[in-house]
Amino acid sequence: DARVTQTPRHKVTEMGQEVTMRCQPILGHNTVFWYRQTMMQGLELLAYFRNRAPLDDSGMPKDRFSAEMPDATLATLKIQPSEPRDSAVYFCASGLAPGTGRHTEAFFGQGTRLTVV
Amino acid sequence: AQKVTQAQTEISVVEKEDVTLDCVYETRDTTYYLFWYKQPPSGELVFLIRRNSFDEQNEISGRYSWNFQKSTSSFNFTITASQVVDSAVYFCALRKTSGTYKYIFGTGTRLKVLA
Repeated sequence: DARVTQTPRHKVTEMGQEVTMRCQPILGHNTVFWYRQTMMQGLELLAYFRNRAPLDDSGMPKDRFSAEMPDATLATLKIQPSEPRDSAVYFCASGLAPGTGRHTEAFFGQGTRLTVV
Repeated sequence: AQKVTQAQTEISVVEKEDVTLDCVYETRDTTYYLFWYKQPPSGELVFLIRRNSFDEQNEISGRYSWNFQKSTSSFNFTITASQVVDSAVYFCALRKTSGTYKYIFGTGTRLKVLA
């Protein structure tokens, strides 16, 4: 049963520390999304990759957040330095983009619950 | 600009009641996709349905049904004979068919099904 895998599931860190969240997309998927979920803002898109290239990171605070795909099986979201307002659930999702002959909806991982104290 | 509105913040029903979750969207695109996702208490987002804008046929899957009306820009979701396991937050989402592939989510509707 193919699924998106995110690690860690939970992370508690002190303000100012670096946080790295990892995502393994479903094998064969060529799009990866990072979303952040908070009570106040709901689900916000932070970054979107297609074929490992970042296509949209307009929702990501550039001064402290960075997203990369070192290879097709790994996506990372890094926060440095972390702040209490970054506390949220971070979701990774993957899918197949239209135009690939068979496109799919986005499948979400279980999320990383980040708490910055 | 694209926008999805789920005006119902929270709904409570008694088990076996039918319940409809509303979704209204805004887009200037002539073709687009609409989605529903379920987020149970465990936290993951589970895909339920995708609908293409040129396909206005209603869909039924077991106790779930979806009513897509392009004329009113609505894509409502009905659960028939609700069960406690249906308790979750349900999100409606909109996505372009080309170009920027991102999903625009509504704020979600929390459904509580009481035994």
